[in-house]
Amino acid sequence: GAGVSQSPSNKVTEKGKDVELRCDPISGHTALYWYRQSLGQGLEFLIYFQGNSAPDKSGLPSDRFSAERTGGSVSTLTIQRTQQEDSAVYLCASSDTYEQFFGPGTRLTVL
Amino acid sequence: GIQVEQSPPDLILQEGANSTLRCNFSDSVNNLQWFHQNPWGQLINLFYIPSGTKQNGRLSATTVATERYSLLYISSSQTTDSGVYFCAVSSGANSKLTFGKGITLSVRP
Repeated sequence: GAGVSQSPSNKVTEKGKDVELRCDPISGHTALYWYRQSLGQGLEFLIYFQGNSAPDKSGLPSDRFSAERTGGSVSTLTIQRTQQEDSAVYLCASSDTYEQFFGPGTRLTVL
Repeated sequence: GIQVEQSPPDLILQEGANSTLRCNFSDSVNNLQWFHQNPWGQLINLFYIPSGTKQNGRLSATTVATERYSLLYISSSQTTDSGVYFCAVSSGANSKLTFGKGITLSVRP
């Protein structure tokens, strides 16, 4: 079946602009995760949604970052007032048990 | 939080050689996954292996949970095996993955 999909694949923006990144998880997966991969920090957890429970936002680096998951499926990660240090690859993953499956990522470049 | 260390950080092999990649973790885990990141950045699932041994073709993995380490074996390496290999774990009630820094493998023809 279809895997995790993310859009856009690449996003270039100017410092101070807002951006939205989208994730479509594998159908039927109840858990959805956002991670980011940057040169200095490696792969790090951002936020986790499980069913109808309150999300685990413990990895969000600042209050400029937020995420929603509508209808238990699609998720949007929003970064407000982007900064150059936000440049990274943003990865989404989904799971129905423990094993997580990753999407191709969105490469964000903040000029 | 849980710590994950991978070794060696870099590995260069001649095509056809075998290799062992190691992952040490600092606490008991309920999930351990090995990934291969291809040149386009996609994380490819290799193994879900919180304990025991699994094999898939030329690759196999063993996790000894009581001693807090996992090993990934690559036999008869090919140039297409090149890339970065990540170990990632989760522990306790929290299912978020903590990643190691990765092992960069280069297989030369």
